[in-house]
Amino acid sequence: QKEVEQNSGPLSVPEGAIASLNCTYSDRVSQSFFWYRQYSGKSPELIMSIYSNGDKEDGRFTAQLNKASQYVSLLIRDSQPSDSATYLCAGRPRDSNYQLIWGAGTKLIIKP
Amino acid sequence: DAGVIQSPRHEVTEMGQEVTLRCKPISGHDYLFWYRQTMMRGLELLIYFNNNVPIDDSGMPEDRFSAKMPNASFSTLKIQPSEPRDSAVYFCAIDRGDGYTFGSGTRLTVV
Repeated sequence: QKEVEQNSGPLSVPEGAIASLNCTYSDRVSQSFFWYRQYSGKSPELIMSIYSNGDKEDGRFTAQLNKASQYVSLLIRDSQPSDSATYLCAGRPRDSNYQLIWGAGTKLIIKP
Repeated sequence: DAGVIQSPRHEVTEMGQEVTLRCKPISGHDYLFWYRQTMMRGLELLIYFNNNVPIDDSGMPEDRFSAKMPNASFSTLKIQPSEPRDSAVYFCAIDRGDGYTFGSGTRLTVV
């Protein structure tokens, strides 16, 4: 099992719908997680971080962390074509406060 | 990103040539990371620095790669000699405590 695992996609979602992106992690990864968005040809951009079990909302984005099941998800409400990008999930290893372990990313396509 | 400036944005070089990539973090960081990204392997950590000191270079592919951080505002990644398999996007990133801030990257093509 990879330490941080994501479905590579592409995930196709109609405009206006909810996009749901998921990430699972191994025991080596701690409870701090980050979602990054990367447009084609651009650098990763931090969208949200989540540290505690439960939901964290920021505008149209909601991050969810379930420690018991070892998964973290990102929901995008009212999806827009501009949300089309690759979404990277990353988690901190238990033995580090600064390193990140990265998933391979999920490509999201929002269809008008 | 305003927090980290990388140069050049694009570099095309011939196999065997030396390549130097540059990174200028603006401020407010203790850690600086060099990553390489390809379609096949995704983001790979090459090396990171803490307070300008290299901590872990186990991700550096081989002796052809070297990195320096002479001060808190400047770091370089050098490849000598370059090979076609080094073609990738190279990112510099800093950790500000709540995730990383990436530079815009250098797209390296070795022909």
